[in-house]
Amino acid sequence: DAGVIQSPRHEVTEMGQEVTLRCKPISGHNSLFWYRQTMMRGLELLIYFNNNVPIDDSGMPEDRFSAKMPNASFSTLKIQPSEPRDSAVYFCASTLTGISGNTIYFGEGSWLTVV
Amino acid sequence: DAKTTQPPSMDCAEGRAANLPCNHSTISGNEYVYWYRQIHSQGPQYIIHGLKNNETNEMASLIITEDRKSSTLILPHATLRDTAVYYCIVRDIRDTPLVFGKGTRLSVIA
Repeated sequence: DAGVIQSPRHEVTEMGQEVTLRCKPISGHNSLFWYRQTMMRGLELLIYFNNNVPIDDSGMPEDRFSAKMPNASFSTLKIQPSEPRDSAVYFCASTLTGISGNTIYFGEGSWLTVV
Repeated sequence: DAKTTQPPSMDCAEGRAANLPCNHSTISGNEYVYWYRQIHSQGPQYIIHGLKNNETNEMASLIITEDRKSSTLILPHATLRDTAVYYCIVRDIRDTPLVFGKGTRLSVIA
C-alpha cells in the first residue's frame, strides 16, 4: 500500500513567492494532519482535519498560512507570501479515526527553503 | 505541551538491547503511550503503543509500569540503522493529534 504522499519533496523559493505543499493521505483514512519541523521548535502541529473539515488550526502561525482539504484524498498547505523564517520541513500525516488507539502515519516531508 | 520527559541522548552498543525510558507522571486513564522514531531526514515512524499492558511487536517491546507513570521502550538487538530520535508521546484515546516533545537521540555504536 502507498503511504502518505507529499509533494514537492524539496522546494527552494524566493521571499514573497507563494508556496503550495500537497498531500495525499492513505486511502480510507479520514483524518489528516500538517506538522512543521525546525531545529528551534521541533515538530509542531499546524492544523488537522477530520472528514475534510478543519478541526483545530490553532497551530497555524499566521494569516500567511492556509490549508484546505477539498476531498478525502487531497490536501494543500499554502504560504503566501513566504518568508525566510518559513524554511522548515513540513510533514503531512493521516489516520483512520474512530478506532481507539489508531496509528498515525507520516509522509516523508516537504523540505522548504525560502531565500 | 508535551506531557512526557525523556533523556536528551543515549548510546547503545550494536547488538545490545537499547532501553529508552520515559516519564509520564500526569498520564490519565484515558491516555495511551505511543512511541515514534525519526531517522535523519525521514518522517516520524510508528513503533508501538500501549494503554496498560506490556506490548511487543516485530520492532520493539513496551514496558509500562503498574502505576502507568513511566514506561520503557526496548529494542532487543540494536543495529546501526536504529540510530534515530525516539519520541514518547501520551495521546488521548479520543484520537487527538500527536504532540511531540524533544525525544531521545539514540546513537547505536559499532
